[in-house]
Amino acid sequence: SYDLTQPLSVSVALGQTARITCGGSNTGINSVHWYQQKPGQAPVLVIYRDTNRPSGIPERFSGSNSGNTATLTISGAQAGDEADYYCQVWDSISAVVFGGGTKLTVL
Amino acid sequence: EVQLVQSGAEMKKPGESLKISCKGSGYRFSSYWIGWVRQMPGKGPEWMGIIYPGDSDTRYSPSFQGQVTMSADKSISTAYLQWSSLKASDTAFYYCARKDGNSAGYFQVWGQGTLVTVSS
Repeated sequence: SYDLTQPLSVSVALGQTARITCGGSNTGINSVHWYQQKPGQAPVLVIYRDTNRPSGIPERFSGSNSGNTATLTISGAQAGDEADYYCQVWDSISAVVFGGGTKLTVL
Repeated sequence: EVQLVQSGAEMKKPGESLKISCKGSGYRFSSYWIGWVRQMPGKGPEWMGIIYPGDSDTRYSPSFQGQVTMSADKSISTAYLQWSSLKASDTAFYYCARKDGNSAGYFQVWGQGTLVTVSS
């Protein structure tokens, strides 16, 4: 099965830059999507296809993908960005795979 | 406004059956795949499978094949997830989500979630 590895937690000072990584188990990971989930709420798409931001998502959210690792970057992190973040891809048998999730703490 | 509205929380006993729903509005329901995701308490999302309401083509995650049944009624823009015999381990939030994009698409529209609690 395809595995996506994320750090369990990331901490960032208010106003600084947070980076959350998502590593693929095979060579390269294609078309990574990122979701933000706050307690008691449904996930929200914040980045799709590696680098694209849906309408309504602040510009401080950006994504990149190089080699085996995709990265979600939150520039100028706000208290409201505290949440769990999950990466997602489709594997070779057309199944959805989610990463284990990263808890972002804004200090 | 494009939205998915799910049925309310359920409390069931082990062995009982259950069918929860996900109603789409604001778009052509039959033209978009609907995925189902399980999220157990304190855990990350797990993909259960996906259904195309246009022709009810369904793909299950191997982990959920045979454990649940997905269906859809495009005439009322509603997708369903059902169990024939619930277990305590089925206790979780269940989300439906609309797939956008191509074969490696993403889920931009989500239902609010349905909490299923299975306890004797």
